[in-house]
Amino acid sequence: GQQLNQSPQSMFIQEGEDVSMNCTSSSIFNTWLWYKQDPGEGPVLLIALYKAGELTSNGRLTAQFGTTRKDSFLNISASIPSDVGIYFCAGQRDTGNQFYFGTGTSLTVIP
Amino acid sequence: DAGVIQSPRHEVTEMGQEVTLRCKPISGHNSLFWYRQTMMRGLELLIYFNNNVPIDDSGMPEDRFSAKMPNASFSTLKIQPSEPRDSAVYFCASSPGQGTSATDTQYFGPGTRLTVL
Repeated sequence: GQQLNQSPQSMFIQEGEDVSMNCTSSSIFNTWLWYKQDPGEGPVLLIALYKAGELTSNGRLTAQFGTTRKDSFLNISASIPSDVGIYFCAGQRDTGNQFYFGTGTSLTVIP
Repeated sequence: DAGVIQSPRHEVTEMGQEVTLRCKPISGHNSLFWYRQTMMRGLELLIYFNNNVPIDDSGMPEDRFSAKMPNASFSTLKIQPSEPRDSAVYFCASSPGQGTSATDTQYFGPGTRLTVL
């Protein structure tokens, strides 16, 4: 199946620092989603992107739909301990509603 | 509002036994998805249903896996016989869309952690 690669695989940062992660694909997608998964829970949707170049914010989170339509980026500003978790990207092509998920970025915030 | 409900939350079984995982999607949602999550392979789509009909089961690993959706409010994922390599967290998700909308956001359940000894 389609593989979305996320980078970095894991991050250890100090509270208050900004975080950047990305997701790349060999295929073009028309929708990008970013999810967060807390330990022992299912992924929860953070941000959805529908147009190339689109920049969307949700509180301290900002995500961008790459102009090539093969990548997307997520930034978290002024990280706090509750940002800890695994962040997944997901992409959807223009037919059908199957989303392909990335490999995940594990974030640890050190107080 | 109740989200996606999965049961059991944890299941420990011995190799060769039959395992049945259950899912109740969000009321009114038209699509239902089964995923498997492991450290090695991440989140993988196994099968999804639209209006109770299986649309794509290409992700189902092998004949030991089967999924049913007898009505709009219930789905099962069965593994028979189970093997240690089936150990994973199995997620069910539902979405309100009809299958082609770009806005078909999926809502995930809490998952079932399966351990096959």
